[in-house]
Amino acid sequence: EAQVTQNPRYLITVTGKKLTVTCSQNMNHEYMSWYRQDPGLGLRQIYYSMNVEVTDKGDVPEGYKVSRKEKRNFPLILESPSPNQTSLYFCASSDRGRGSTEAFFGQGTRLTVV
Amino acid sequence: LAKTTQPISMDSYEGQEVNITCSHNNIATNDYITWYQQFPSQGPRFIIQGYKTKVTNEVASLFIPADRKSSTLSLPRVSLSDTAVYYCLVGSKAAGNKLTFGGGTRVLVKP
Repeated sequence: EAQVTQNPRYLITVTGKKLTVTCSQNMNHEYMSWYRQDPGLGLRQIYYSMNVEVTDKGDVPEGYKVSRKEKRNFPLILESPSPNQTSLYFCASSDRGRGSTEAFFGQGTRLTVV
Repeated sequence: LAKTTQPISMDSYEGQEVNITCSHNNIATNDYITWYQQFPSQGPRFIIQGYKTKVTNEVASLFIPADRKSSTLSLPRVSLSDTAVYYCLVGSKAAGNKLTFGGGTRVLVKP
């Protein structure tokens, strides 16, 4: 089954404690990206990657890092989380080669930073 | 990426047809119109994509007039499970994952 898998689904952490949210897709997609969703602000893109070792900032990249060492994985790293990074996070992937604007989203990771 | 404007919310009843119109006055020649559906605490799900005229799939229809400055998503005979937020996005296929989501339209289907 084609899917984007994020882990963990829920995470509560303390300010300053480094964490990584993993994202993996099994569709051999070139494009992957991370979004955060906050009430009243909608979905905002954090980072995106057009292929292995190619990443770029989205609209709200401050406080986040990403890496794309393999095509299927695109982890989101919070080096020093702060309470304002409490949010619902989504990873997405799409296949530019298929000529479609369809993106596949993971189930989300609800992060709480206290 | 072209900015989109859509109603904040809409109410409907089971069995009715729901039409959501999205305005995108600054759409570019190579832009496509894409609609996503999102249930609470779940990731958005692709519904339909179109460039001009009419596109239909098993879930919805998308109507795009000749000037392409607006589009209408039509959900036939909605059920309670169609209650969700619907997003209209405009962008080129080359933009890949560079999706810009607006506020979406919250559709509430009542029994």
